[in-house]
Amino acid sequence: DADVTQTPRNRITKTGKRIMLECSQTKGHDRMYWYRQDPGLGLQLIYYSFDVKDINKGEISDGYSVSRQAQAKFSLSLESAIPNQTALYFCATSDSTGGDEQYFGPGTRLTVT
Amino acid sequence: GQNIDQPTEMTATEGAIVQINCTYQTSGFNGLFWYQQHAGEAPTFLSYNVLDGLEEKGRFSSFLSRSKGYSYLLLKELQMKDSASYLCAVHPNAGNNRKLIWGLGTSLAVNP
Repeated sequence: DADVTQTPRNRITKTGKRIMLECSQTKGHDRMYWYRQDPGLGLQLIYYSFDVKDINKGEISDGYSVSRQAQAKFSLSLESAIPNQTALYFCATSDSTGGDEQYFGPGTRLTVT
Repeated sequence: GQNIDQPTEMTATEGAIVQINCTYQTSGFNGLFWYQQHAGEAPTFLSYNVLDGLEEKGRFSSFLSRSKGYSYLLLKELQMKDSASYLCAVHPNAGNNRKLIWGLGTSLAVNP
C-alpha cells in the first residue's frame, strides 16, 4: 500500500466550483505540504503544515485553503476554481526528527474548464 | 533573492555516465536534496547532502561543495529507465522555517 495517497487522481471541474483534494499518509510524519506543478514552472508551494495546529502559506496560496484534520490528513480546497488553477497537484510529507526529505503522493491532475 | 540553477535538458547514451550540475544562491544552507521525477509521476527522493563531499548510493552519487554553492548528481551505467527530470532542492534555513527551495529540474534523455 502507498504511504502517501491522494484523492481524486483526476478531476475535471467547471469555473466557479468549489473542490477539495485530499491527502492521507501512513508514514507517521508530522509535516505535510501541498504543491502545484505547471510545465516549465517547477514545484510551487501552496501551503504547509508542521503539525496539526500549524498552518502556513506558501508562495502561491491565493485562491486556496487547507485543513489539517489529523496528523495523517491534509486537504486542499479551491474555493472558486478558475482555469489557471489547472495543474498537477502533489501532497508531500516529511519527518522533522529525521532527514526531513519529502515523500510525495501520486498527484492529482486537475482541469478547470 | 534565493535561486537554484540547473541545466534545462541533457542527453546521454545508455551505459554511459552523466553529471547533472546544480548551483544555488540562498540566504543560508542546511542541506541539499536530489529528486527524480518521471513524466506525469511524483518526485522520488534520491539523495541528501549536508556536508562537503561525495555520497554514493548504488549507480547514483551526489557531491556537495558549500563554499562554491555547488552540487552535482552523477549517474553511472545509464539505463533507459533513467530518462526523467532531476530536481535539485535546498533547505536554506535551519529550525522551524525549513521550506525547500526547488530548482526547475533537468530533463535527461537516455538514448540507446
